[in-house]
Amino acid sequence: GAGVSQSPRYKVAKRGQDVALRCDPISGHVSLFWYQQALGQGPEFLTYFQNEAQLDKSGLPSDRFFAERPEGSVSTLKIQRTQQEDSAVYLCASSSPHTSGGGTEAFFGQGTRLTVV
Amino acid sequence: GDSVTQMEGPVTLSEEAFLTINCTYTATGYPSLFWYVQYPGEGLQLLLKATKADDKGSNKGFEATYRKETTSFHLEKGSVQVSDSAVYFCALSAWAQKLVFGQGTRLTINP
Repeated sequence: GAGVSQSPRYKVAKRGQDVALRCDPISGHVSLFWYQQALGQGPEFLTYFQNEAQLDKSGLPSDRFFAERPEGSVSTLKIQRTQQEDSAVYLCASSSPHTSGGGTEAFFGQGTRLTVV
Repeated sequence: GDSVTQMEGPVTLSEEAFLTINCTYTATGYPSLFWYVQYPGEGLQLLLKATKADDKGSNKGFEATYRKETTSFHLEKGSVQVSDSAVYFCALSAWAQKLVFGQGTRLTINP
């Protein structure tokens, strides 16, 4: 597709339910990121993949959060036993660095808004 | 750790007014600096960037200069339009493109 696609756009989960959020990055993009954006705040880093390798998961808030990218393209963020504090917009971004360093543009999806009730 | 502090909003201006949104950062090393914008109902998109000290990023009439001595990257536009109404995020990237964002500034432009 033309951009980063996330599904579902909206998800309402009952507390304690497991959820799975999907991200389809731009074709050919090596790097994939997940961010969590609470209401009225900036996005906060969760985890980073380079191809299928999860190189950084330092931002995952608890062991209830798990992300995978088994074939180096589509990624899934899974949250087990959801809690109210998990309510947020979950953003996925992808990029294709040609050089090392931090100047490469990241392309963001529209996000999945998760509401835990 | 790395952090970004943005001017608190919301900011409301009249069309054709001059805009400044302040951004300062704390980082080890030499980060790249970005402004991202989120228009209503849309995803985050890159507005401009600068990758080294004294670089000026510019796009759509917006400008920001990477000031290492003041650790700042303030966003400016000389004459804003109603279509500039959005939420603006300052961000830095110091390692492997991982972005650290400020809290965002909501800008509303009245006709």
